[in-house]
Amino acid sequence: EAGVTQSPTHLIKTRGQQATLRCSPISGHTSVYWYQQALGLGLQFLLWYDEGEERNRGNFPPRFSGRQFPNYSSELNVNALELEDSALYLCASRQGTSDTYEQYFGPGTRLTVT
Amino acid sequence: AQRVTQPEKLLSVFKGAPVELKCNYSYSGSPELFWYVQYSRQRLQLLLRHISRESIKGFTADLNKGETSFHLKKPFAQEEDSAMYYCALSGRNYGQNFVFGPGTRLSVLP
Repeated sequence: EAGVTQSPTHLIKTRGQQATLRCSPISGHTSVYWYQQALGLGLQFLLWYDEGEERNRGNFPPRFSGRQFPNYSSELNVNALELEDSALYLCASRQGTSDTYEQYFGPGTRLTVT
Repeated sequence: AQRVTQPEKLLSVFKGAPVELKCNYSYSGSPELFWYVQYSRQRLQLLLRHISRESIKGFTADLNKGETSFHLKKPFAQEEDSAMYYCALSGRNYGQNFVFGPGTRLSVLP
C-alpha cells in the first residue's frame, strides 16, 4: 500500500510569491492534516481537512490556505511568501474521524523563501 | 482546551542507561495518546499508542490518568534510539484534531 505522498520535494520561491504544495493521502483515508516544521520549533498545526471541508486551522495568518479535493488529495497554498515561511511542510492522513486512528505522515516539502 | 507538554527539549543519556521521555497532557475527557518518532532523514512515524499496550523497539508508555501523563520509557537505551520524539493527543469527540507536543530530542551517547 502506498504511503502519503507529497510534491514537490523541494520548492524555492522569492519573497512575495505564492507557493502551492500538494498531498495525496493513503487510499481510504479521508482526513488530511498540514503541519509546518520550522527549524527548532517542532510541529505547528496548520490545517485539517475532512470529507472536503476545512475542520480546523491553527494559529497562522489567512495567507495560509488550502483545500481538499473529491479524491481526498489536498493542496496547501501560501500567498505573499515571507522569509520566515521557510520550513518543512508535512502532510498527514488519517482514516476517518475515529480518534483511535493514528496519523500517517508524508516525507514533506521543503520550502525555501529567498 | 487540549494541550500536550514535553518539558525536555533535549535529553542525553549513555548507551545502556534507562531513558524516560516525559509527556503531560490536559484534556477534559478520555483522550487517545500516541508517541511519534522521527529518525534522521526519515519521515515522522508512529511509535506506539496507549490503547494497544504494546512494547515497540523496547519502548513502553503507560497512561496515568491521575497524573495526566504518558511518559515513554526504555530500560536500556541504544544509539539507534537517537531521534526526535513527539507525544500526541487525540480527543474522542468529533472535531477534536490531533495535538502534538513540542518534541524531545533524544541523544544516546556511546
